[in-house]
Amino acid sequence: QVQLVESGGGVVQPGRSLRLSCAASGFTFSSYNIHWVRQAPGKGLEWVAVIWYDESKKNYADSVKGRFTISRDNSRNTLYLQMNSLRVEDTAVYYCARDHAMDRMLDYWGQGTLVTVSS
Amino acid sequence: SYELTQPLSVSVALGQTASITCGGNNIGSKNVHWYQQKPGQAPVLVIYRDNNRPSGIPERFSGSNSGNTATLTISRAQAGDEADYYCQVWDSSTTVVFGGGTKLTVL
Repeated sequence: QVQLVESGGGVVQPGRSLRLSCAASGFTFSSYNIHWVRQAPGKGLEWVAVIWYDESKKNYADSVKGRFTISRDNSRNTLYLQMNSLRVEDTAVYYCARDHAMDRMLDYWGQGTLVTVSS
Repeated sequence: SYELTQPLSVSVALGQTASITCGGNNIGSKNVHWYQQKPGQAPVLVIYRDNNRPSGIPERFSGSNSGNTATLTISRAQAGDEADYYCQVWDSSTTVVFGGGTKLTVL
């Protein structure tokens, strides 16, 4: 079955960096676009970034553009999110989610990893 | 950038029908997807491409989309349907947009 497992979250000071990982299994990872979506405590879903299956395209939300970098290693079935210059407002649960190739919905989600930015 | 507007909360009596709206400029020209999120859990897709149910989602869940409003309808509401619901579209095929979310309460 399709599984997405995020890791790498934790507590970090403002201005520092953190890298999240998302390990995929149960499907052909290299054939799917994958997203990062976050959710601040008590708030709604906020899309963060997407990477095409072959890394040919990467798109970002304005709120993270220039600070976050999405990447993937198809040989390891793993997605990454490098987060630099972290801000208090980046505090959230970060989910990775698979993009259904034909209908473009997010059909499978991981359980999320919590990032807390605090001094 | 494209914006989606949802009511903050909707209440429905047990066994009755709930409708959750998602407003956007000419949203009827876009494919709308809906997600259900229960406390402490990841979102789950309940409707895709306006009115299609993934396998495992009850027939009680349905959707429609026309003009400036998309609607998620939950028939015969059950206590287990209490959750936050989010609509989602693509903006210019490059970025994803979520609505602000609607908290459904089953009375």
